Amino acid sequence: EDQVTQSPEALRLQEGESSSLNCSYTVSGLRGLFWYRQDPGKGPEFLFTLYSAGEEKEKERLKATLTKKESFLHITAPKPEDSATYLCAVQAPGANNLFFGTGTRLTVIP
Amino acid sequence: DVKVTQSSRYLVKRTGEKVFLECVQDMDHENMFWYRQDPGLGLRLIYFSYDVKMKEKGDIPEGYSVSREKKERFSLILESASTNQTSMYLCASRPGLAGRNIQYFGAGTRLSVL
Repeated sequence: EDQVTQSPEALRLQEGESSSLNCSYTVSGLRGLFWYRQDPGKGPEFLFTLYSAGEEKEKERLKATLTKKESFLHITAPKPEDSATYLCAVQAPGANNLFFGTGTRLTVIP
Repeated sequence: DVKVTQSSRYLVKRTGEKVFLECVQDMDHENMFWYRQDPGLGLRLIYFSYDVKMKEKGDIPEGYSVSREKKERFSLILESASTNQTSMYLCASRPGLAGRNIQYFGAGTRLSVL
Protein backbone atom coordinates (compact mmCIF):
# COMPACT_ATOMS: atom_id res chain seq x y z
CA GLU A 1 0.00 0.00 0.00
CA ASP A 2 1.29 3.44 -0.92
CA GLN A 3 2.16 5.48 2.14
CA VAL A 4 3.48 8.93 2.92
CA THR A 5 4.78 9.68 6.42
CA GLN A 6 5.84 13.11 7.56
CA SER A 7 7.93 13.86 10.61
CA PRO A 8 7.93 15.48 13.00
CA GLU A 9 4.23 16.21 13.45
CA ALA A 10 5.08 19.57 14.97
CA LEU A 11 8.28 21.61 15.18
CA ARG A 12 9.03 24.77 17.13
CA LEU A 13 12.07 26.77 16.10
CA GLN A 14 13.61 29.99 17.25
CA GLU A 15 13.92 32.59 14.54
CA GLY A 16 17.17 31.87 12.67
CA GLU A 17 17.40 28.25 13.86
CA SER A 18 17.71 26.07 10.74
CA SER A 19 16.12 22.62 10.57
CA SER A 20 14.66 19.99 8.25
CA LEU A 21 11.28 18.36 7.75
CA ASN A 22 11.09 14.79 6.54
CA CYS A 23 8.72 13.04 4.14
CA SER A 24 9.22 9.31 3.63
CA TYR A 25 7.23 7.36 1.05
CA THR A 26 6.73 3.80 -0.10
CA VAL A 27 5.37 4.43 -3.59
CA SER A 28 7.04 2.32 -6.26
CA GLY A 29 7.96 4.14 -9.43
CA LEU A 30 7.35 7.61 -8.08
CA ARG A 31 6.06 10.00 -10.72
CA GLY A 32 6.50 13.09 -8.60
CA LEU A 33 6.81 14.38 -5.04
CA PHE A 34 5.17 17.67 -4.11
CA TRP A 35 5.60 20.09 -1.22
CA TYR A 36 2.83 22.48 -0.25
CA ARG A 37 2.51 25.12 2.43
CA GLN A 38 -0.82 25.59 4.22
CA ASP A 39 -1.68 28.52 6.46
CA PRO A 40 -4.47 28.13 9.04
CA GLY A 41 -7.92 28.24 7.47
CA LYS A 42 -6.55 28.37 3.93
CA GLY A 43 -5.93 25.99 1.05
CA PRO A 44 -2.50 24.46 0.35
CA GLU A 45 -0.12 26.60 -1.67
CA PHE A 46 2.24 24.84 -4.07
CA LEU A 47 5.96 25.10 -3.29
CA PHE A 48 7.99 22.48 -5.18
CA THR A 49 7.83 19.41 -7.38
CA LEU A 50 10.65 16.84 -7.45
CA TYR A 51 10.70 14.06 -10.01
CA SER A 52 13.92 12.07 -9.59
CA ALA A 53 16.38 11.11 -6.88
CA GLY A 54 19.13 13.67 -6.46
CA GLU A 55 16.96 16.56 -7.60
CA GLU A 56 16.91 19.75 -5.52
CA LYS A 57 14.74 22.86 -5.66
CA GLU A 58 15.13 26.14 -3.78
CA LYS A 59 12.90 29.06 -3.00
CA GLU A 60 14.01 31.78 -0.59
CA ARG A 61 14.77 30.05 2.74
CA LEU A 62 13.40 26.68 1.61
CA LYS A 63 15.24 23.88 -0.14
CA ALA A 64 13.68 20.55 -1.08
CA THR A 65 15.69 17.42 -1.81
CA LEU A 66 14.70 13.93 -2.96
CA THR A 67 16.15 10.46 -2.51
CA LYS A 68 14.64 7.13 -3.53
CA LYS A 69 12.79 6.79 -0.25
CA GLU A 70 12.38 10.25 1.22
CA SER A 71 12.37 13.97 0.74
CA PHE A 72 13.61 16.71 3.02
CA LEU A 73 12.44 20.28 3.24
CA HIS A 74 15.33 22.28 4.67
CA ILE A 75 14.54 25.63 6.24
CA THR A 76 17.49 27.97 6.60
CA ALA A 77 17.36 30.83 9.10
CA PRO A 78 13.55 30.71 9.37
CA LYS A 79 11.43 33.75 10.12
CA PRO A 80 8.08 33.91 11.94
CA GLU A 81 6.29 34.24 8.58
CA ASP A 82 7.50 30.73 7.71
CA SER A 83 5.14 29.37 10.36
CA ALA A 84 2.64 27.10 8.62
CA THR A 85 1.82 23.45 8.03
CA TYR A 86 3.98 21.87 5.34
CA LEU A 87 2.39 19.06 3.37
CA CYS A 88 4.11 16.43 1.29
CA ALA A 89 2.30 14.52 -1.46
CA VAL A 90 3.25 11.84 -3.96
CA GLN A 91 1.94 10.75 -7.33
CA ALA A 92 2.05 7.02 -8.01
CA PRO A 93 2.34 5.49 -11.50
CA GLY A 94 -0.97 5.51 -13.34
CA ALA A 95 -2.60 7.67 -10.69
CA ASN A 96 -4.42 10.85 -11.57
CA ASN A 97 -4.39 12.23 -8.04
CA LEU A 98 -1.93 12.93 -5.25
CA PHE A 99 -1.59 11.03 -1.99
CA PHE A 100 -0.90 13.36 0.93
CA GLY A 101 0.90 13.00 4.23
CA THR A 102 -0.60 14.51 7.37
CA GLY A 103 1.82 17.41 7.46
CA THR A 104 4.34 19.06 9.78
CA ARG A 105 3.13 22.07 11.71
CA LEU A 106 6.03 24.53 11.94
CA THR A 107 6.09 27.38 14.44
CA VAL A 108 8.90 29.92 14.30
CA ILE A 109 9.23 31.99 17.46
CA PRO A 110 10.61 35.55 17.21
CA ASP B 1 -1.89 33.13 -11.75
CA VAL B 2 -4.15 30.15 -11.41
CA LYS B 3 -7.28 30.92 -9.49
CA VAL B 4 -9.51 28.32 -7.89
CA THR B 5 -12.51 29.85 -6.20
CA GLN B 6 -14.75 28.08 -3.73
CA SER B 7 -18.11 29.75 -3.32
CA SER B 8 -18.27 29.70 0.48
CA ARG B 9 -15.61 29.93 3.17
CA TYR B 10 -17.94 28.80 5.96
CA LEU B 11 -21.20 26.88 5.90
CA VAL B 12 -23.46 25.67 8.68
CA LYS B 13 -26.10 23.09 7.75
CA ARG B 14 -28.55 20.82 9.52
CA THR B 15 -28.47 17.04 9.48
CA GLY B 16 -30.40 15.73 6.48
CA GLU B 17 -30.05 18.87 4.37
CA LYS B 18 -28.82 18.68 0.79
CA VAL B 19 -25.61 20.68 0.51
CA PHE B 20 -23.89 22.05 -2.58
CA LEU B 21 -20.25 23.11 -2.56
CA GLU B 22 -19.18 24.96 -5.68
CA CYS B 23 -15.73 25.35 -7.19
CA VAL B 24 -14.67 27.38 -10.23
CA GLN B 25 -11.25 27.54 -11.87
CA ASP B 26 -10.15 30.10 -14.43
CA MET B 27 -7.23 28.32 -16.13
CA ASP B 28 -9.03 25.95 -18.49
CA HIS B 29 -7.75 22.93 -16.53
CA GLU B 30 -9.04 19.51 -17.55
CA ASN B 31 -8.79 17.93 -14.11
CA MET B 32 -10.59 18.95 -10.96
CA PHE B 33 -10.62 17.36 -7.50
CA TRP B 34 -12.53 17.43 -4.23
CA TYR B 35 -10.75 16.58 -0.96
CA ARG B 36 -11.72 16.71 2.65
CA GLN B 37 -9.19 17.54 5.35
CA ASP B 38 -9.50 16.36 8.92
CA PRO B 39 -7.00 16.69 11.80
CA GLY B 40 -4.62 13.72 11.90
CA LEU B 41 -5.97 12.28 8.63
CA GLY B 42 -4.60 14.72 6.10
CA LEU B 43 -6.24 15.34 2.75
CA ARG B 44 -8.38 12.52 1.45
CA LEU B 45 -9.71 12.41 -2.10
CA ILE B 46 -13.49 12.25 -2.46
CA TYR B 47 -13.98 12.51 -6.23
CA PHE B 48 -12.17 13.82 -9.24
CA SER B 49 -13.09 14.70 -12.79
CA TYR B 50 -10.84 14.56 -15.83
CA ASP B 51 -13.29 16.06 -18.30
CA VAL B 52 -16.73 17.58 -18.56
CA LYS B 53 -19.38 15.09 -17.39
CA MET B 54 -16.66 12.59 -16.44
CA LYS B 55 -16.00 11.62 -12.83
CA GLU B 56 -14.20 9.00 -10.84
CA LYS B 57 -14.49 7.99 -7.21
CA GLY B 58 -11.63 8.73 -4.89
CA ASP B 59 -10.85 7.09 -1.57
CA ILE B 60 -13.94 8.21 0.37
CA PRO B 61 -16.89 8.79 -2.01
CA GLU B 62 -19.63 7.44 0.25
CA GLY B 63 -22.28 10.05 1.01
CA TYR B 64 -21.09 12.38 -1.74
CA SER B 65 -21.78 12.96 -5.42
CA VAL B 66 -20.34 15.41 -7.93
CA SER B 67 -21.35 17.30 -11.03
CA ARG B 68 -19.27 18.77 -13.81
CA GLU B 69 -21.48 20.29 -16.48
CA LYS B 70 -18.93 22.90 -17.57
CA LYS B 71 -15.16 22.65 -17.73
CA GLU B 72 -14.55 25.43 -15.24
CA ARG B 73 -17.02 24.30 -12.57
CA PHE B 74 -16.98 21.25 -10.30
CA SER B 75 -19.65 20.80 -7.67
CA LEU B 76 -19.65 18.55 -4.62
CA ILE B 77 -23.05 17.44 -3.37
CA LEU B 78 -23.90 16.03 0.03
CA GLU B 79 -27.25 14.36 -0.63
CA SER B 80 -28.21 14.17 3.05
CA ALA B 81 -25.69 15.85 5.30
CA SER B 82 -24.58 14.04 8.43
CA THR B 83 -22.52 15.21 11.39
CA ASN B 84 -19.57 13.06 10.34
CA GLN B 85 -19.31 15.19 7.20
CA THR B 86 -18.28 18.19 9.27
CA SER B 87 -14.89 19.00 7.79
CA MET B 88 -12.75 21.32 5.67
CA TYR B 89 -13.46 20.75 1.98
CA LEU B 90 -10.81 21.65 -0.57
CA CYS B 91 -11.18 21.90 -4.33
CA ALA B 92 -8.18 21.65 -6.65
CA SER B 93 -7.52 21.77 -10.37
CA ARG B 94 -4.61 20.87 -12.61
CA PRO B 95 -3.88 20.92 -16.32
CA GLY B 96 -4.04 17.73 -18.34
CA LEU B 97 -0.36 17.80 -19.26
CA ALA B 98 1.36 14.46 -18.85
CA GLY B 99 3.93 14.46 -16.07
CA ARG B 100 2.88 17.80 -14.62
CA ASN B 101 0.58 17.05 -11.76
CA ILE B 102 0.75 20.36 -9.90
CA GLN B 103 -2.62 20.78 -8.26
CA TYR B 104 -3.79 24.28 -7.40
CA PHE B 105 -6.12 24.61 -4.46
CA GLY B 106 -8.93 26.88 -3.49
CA ALA B 107 -9.16 28.53 -0.07
CA GLY B 108 -11.42 25.80 1.28
CA THR B 109 -14.94 25.59 2.69
CA ARG B 110 -15.33 24.80 6.35
CA LEU B 111 -18.61 22.93 6.69
CA SER B 112 -20.31 22.31 10.00
CA VAL B 113 -23.26 19.92 10.09
CA LEU B 114 -25.36 20.26 13.24
